[in-house]
Amino acid sequence: GDSVTQMEGPVTLSEEAFLTINCTYTATGYPSLFWYVQYPGEGLQLLLKATKADDKGSNKGFEATYRKETTSFHLEKGSVQVSDSAVYFCALSDVAGNMLTFGGGTRLMVKP
Amino acid sequence: EAGVVQSPRYKIIEKKQPVAFWCNPISGHNTLYWYLQNLGQGPELLIRYENEEAVDDSQLPKDRFSAERLKGVDSTLKIQPAELGDSAVYLCASSLGSKETQYFGPGTRLLVL
Repeated sequence: GDSVTQMEGPVTLSEEAFLTINCTYTATGYPSLFWYVQYPGEGLQLLLKATKADDKGSNKGFEATYRKETTSFHLEKGSVQVSDSAVYFCALSDVAGNMLTFGGGTRLMVKP
Repeated sequence: EAGVVQSPRYKIIEKKQPVAFWCNPISGHNTLYWYLQNLGQGPELLIRYENEEAVDDSQLPKDRFSAERLKGVDSTLKIQPAELGDSAVYLCASSLGSKETQYFGPGTRLLVL
């Protein structure tokens, strides 16, 4: 079945550092890929998405590119802020678009 | 626009007791999902509704879990009886349709003692 693997956390960075959170997937066909963010005490929020190979999703300074050849969707940000501290989930939607399969989440802690 | 609303936010019960969670999706969203999120893990789908019909409940433990979405709007997820292993966060999400972006509520954190 479909699966998503993302790097384990926590990831601890200083403010203005460069961020990469790795995500790879296994799926049949061409799924859509997502990054969701969960701030403390809140529900998951869609951060960005990409629906086909080579698409780049971007939002709030975060970017991720759908790489079919490496089955990856790594999340990057050039300069993190303390307010980016949260748990980040990589997910894929099956070809039919009926369900999301999530990775285990990566906790990011940004120190001032 | 109001987001997905869930209540209660927190619930503490003793094992073998029943518990129910309520979800009000975003207005106009036909598809509703219930997810289970164990500590330190990603959410896992329990059940998906298209309007009032449960179209995917393959991951719902039917011996103790039940759900309903009367009138195709609000939904209730019930556990009876609860077990210690049911302690988790129960998330509700909704979307315009099954292929559309899912929007999540804040979740209900359940602790079974």
